[in-house]
Amino acid sequence: KAGVTQTPRYLIKTRGQQVTLSCSPISGHRSVSWYQQTPGQGLQFLFEYFSETQRNKGNFPGRFSGRQFSNSRSEMNVSTLELGDSALYLCASSRDPGPVLHNEQFFGPGTRLTVL
Amino acid sequence: GENVEQHPSTLSVQEGDSAVIKCTYSDSASNYFPWYKQELGKRPQLIIDIRSNVGEKKDQRIAVTLNKTAKHFSLHITETQPEDSAVYFCAASTNNNDMRFGAGTRLTVKP
Repeated sequence: KAGVTQTPRYLIKTRGQQVTLSCSPISGHRSVSWYQQTPGQGLQFLFEYFSETQRNKGNFPGRFSGRQFSNSRSEMNVSTLELGDSALYLCASSRDPGPVLHNEQFFGPGTRLTVL
Repeated sequence: GENVEQHPSTLSVQEGDSAVIKCTYSDSASNYFPWYKQELGKRPQLIIDIRSNVGEKKDQRIAVTLNKTAKHFSLHITETQPEDSAVYFCAASTNNNDMRFGAGTRLTVKP
């Protein structure tokens, strides 16, 4: 079974531009979560999508948005890029069988975004 | 929302010693607590998890304990090896799959 994939792997943008990152979950997984990882900041939760709906949201400004398609693939978009947006963006997928059990989140390799 | 605190931020041990990493959480509705290991340049990978109906779980040299009353959980690694060197993250989530991670602990095992 193929793992979580993310494209592109590396991206360089300049301030003010916008960027779209893509995440393809493991086949059969319906939940996709996005995280921002910066040195010393751990994994900051951005948002989680399930069945094309944003179910959870972290404390990030509205410049960060996302969506999920009917095949569970997800994209996140960052508009008006700032230098501080430079980070590794990780997505993770899980099966999400319901409220009783929790499934492991499988991470993708990440997209390293550099904002100049 | 949930807030997860993790200590220490760095930990250095001699090979063969034990390592303990502690986390606290704020949301009493949290009921799932995974631990992830992230090696340099790689993606985080689950090493062990525990659910709120269990107080302790063991998997070979790794164990996790959970104290729901005090809202804290810990990772214990025994007989540490150099390949255990990595950053370890704790996390907590409720039924809504809203995973929140601690800031991470950089573990160094000296041979």
